[in-house]
Amino acid sequence: DAGITQSPRHKVTETGTPVTLRCHQTENHRYMYWYRQDPGHGLRLIHYSYGVKDTDKGEVSDGYSVSRSKTEDFLLTLESATSSQTSVYFCAISRTGNSYEQYFGPGTRLTVT
Amino acid sequence: TQLLEQSPQFLSIQEGENLTVYCNSSSVFSSLQWYRQEPGEGPVLLVTVVTGGEVKKLKRLTFQFGDARKDSSLHITAAQPGDTGLYLCAGGGDYKLSFGAGTTVTVRA
Repeated sequence: DAGITQSPRHKVTETGTPVTLRCHQTENHRYMYWYRQDPGHGLRLIHYSYGVKDTDKGEVSDGYSVSRSKTEDFLLTLESATSSQTSVYFCAISRTGNSYEQYFGPGTRLTVT
Repeated sequence: TQLLEQSPQFLSIQEGENLTVYCNSSSVFSSLQWYRQEPGEGPVLLVTVVTGGEVKKLKRLTFQFGDARKDSSLHITAAQPGDTGLYLCAGGGDYKLSFGAGTTVTVRA
């Protein structure tokens, strides 16, 4: 158990509204990641963080922003939700960036209507 | 763009049979991981391979990393219903992972 929680676990929202998903870790790891998972696409990286206030884009970052003001929290914001952002979102941590081994949270199922 | 191609996409077998899942890429990876994911949960790390030609065994699961570090395979011997799940391979580089689309394995009792 890597001590990762995600909130909310389920959310339904309307097109055009902003949405923030939270990832919280209890083990003080430096690297944190946000992915989305869609059928036929596996997991695609949205944004990642390599320290407090240090973030970078992944392969599908358009329409998403992130913030990390504390080691333990990594927030993902959908600035104006669209139906194409309906997905399952996973947060992950890496205990040591070099090893690339990642440990995942339970996921947030987001539906944009 | 999917850097890692997994095959087959779906696999349904009878309990007790063997199965192999493949993960191929044109890129060289520093390491390669295999994860298993069950419905409604996050992926769980099974193994990491880092050396070309490396073979790792985890009970009835055997993982191989290709000599050129571009491909990998997962072999399950005498599959059980508890092996049912989505198997994902992921290649490491530049502090990030690239995932394959996954292989859905169903083991029928």
